[in-house]
Amino acid sequence: QSVLTQPPSASGPPGQRVTISCSGSRSNIGNNDVNWYQQFPGTAPKLLINNNDHRPSGVPGRFSGSKSGTSASLAISGLQSGDEANYYCATWDDSLNGPVFGGGTKLTVL
Amino acid sequence: QPQLQESGPGLVKPSETLSLTCTVSGDSISGSSYYWSWIRQPPGKGLEWVGSVFRTGDSHYTPSLKSRVSISVDTSKNQFSLRLRSVTATDTAVYFCARHAAGFDYWGQGALVTVSS
Repeated sequence: QSVLTQPPSASGPPGQRVTISCSGSRSNIGNNDVNWYQQFPGTAPKLLINNNDHRPSGVPGRFSGSKSGTSASLAISGLQSGDEANYYCATWDDSLNGPVFGGGTKLTVL
Repeated sequence: QPQLQESGPGLVKPSETLSLTCTVSGDSISGSSYYWSWIRQPPGKGLEWVGSVFRTGDSHYTPSLKSRVSISVDTSKNQFSLRLRSVTATDTAVYFCARHAAGFDYWGQGALVTVSS
């Protein structure tokens, strides 16, 4: 059971906007920045969003992150078939004194 | 642009020790201010942080593995290594090495390690 809670799946038609939630607690999301990763099957995860809402170089503007209290969200607008992947949230946990991940959300583009 | 590459046996017998090395190029471990980490992913499951090491050798581990794991660094070879003792089938996973900056920003391709007799 993951420390951070994500919905196991999300979906939307091409062109639409979808959001993926990540719920935690004061000891993790509440006190620390959240990062998001995109992972295609058989490949390493890729850093998509760091510091809650910052896109590393090369990440399209269609991807955006936000954080409020002990929850965070990843929004993907203008959905494309190439966005089908697993998405993971992560942050530092002060109680565990280490990084923690969400269980992952599988995104399907209908 | 840093590149990381895992290497090590892909098959380990139960009760033995899993050993993997991550070779870093395009960045200097001794000159960096980052932690260098191992993350694993059991087949079909999510990501789990295993532990991290700093250039000085200072290391931190996930509590559930702390009694069995050690991560060391060899700055002369620009490598860091993972050792996981007394493995069982539940340790079967893809093991990734990664640089820990503001998030894990650079990853190796991953190494599948299967624990089986």
